[in-house]
Amino acid sequence: QLQLELSGPGLVKPSETLSLTCTVSGDSISRSTQYWGWIRQPPGKGLEWIGSIYKSGNTYYNPSLKSRVAISVDTSKNQFYLNLTSVTAADTAVFYCARVKQQLVFDFWGQGTLVTVSS
Amino acid sequence: EIVMTQSPATLSVSPGERATLSCRASQSVSRNLAWYQQKPGQAPRLLIYGASTREPGIPARFSGSESGTEFTLTISSLQSEDFATYYCQQYNNWPGTFGQGTKVEIK
Repeated sequence: QLQLELSGPGLVKPSETLSLTCTVSGDSISRSTQYWGWIRQPPGKGLEWIGSIYKSGNTYYNPSLKSRVAISVDTSKNQFYLNLTSVTAADTAVFYCARVKQQLVFDFWGQGTLVTVSS
Repeated sequence: EIVMTQSPATLSVSPGERATLSCRASQSVSRNLAWYQQKPGQAPRLLIYGASTREPGIPARFSGSESGTEFTLTISSLQSEDFATYYCQQYNNWPGTFGQGTKVEIK
């Protein structure tokens, strides 16, 4: 059964870099033909797609975040990663990792983790 | 960027009744529209994609339809587990964008 487990700090200081890891079990990123992605949801608000990555390392980013986002993958560890630089309080959100079913449709989501940006 | 507008923001429905949720796109998204269900403290769950194709395992009481830039999610007979927030998402244009959500609450 597919599981996506998110890990990373729950508190990040302003201007620093937010780093999260998504560990996939029950499927192999290296054998998968699907993309994997990151989505965030500010408290009490809607969803925002951050970016997606393929096993080859090919990435797509939301233009609104592109200058600050880097998504990478390590197929040997069956993990993919999110780095968001120069964070501010506006980046406080629940972050999700997910599998892309097709295009930007997400068919399986990790549990989500709240990351708070505060000094 | 395409703006997705959902209405109403909150829908009060009694169990067993029909719920109709709307989602309007600011421009054509073809049928590239998905619906998700989210319960408090949980990740979203994909219900429908391609405007009307149910994800495997989703009950038949959930159905989606499309008329131009207007999309509808219908829950034919609300069950207790259906009270949640529902989001539409267009994935026709870059970047895919979500609506602000409709909360379905118990009347």
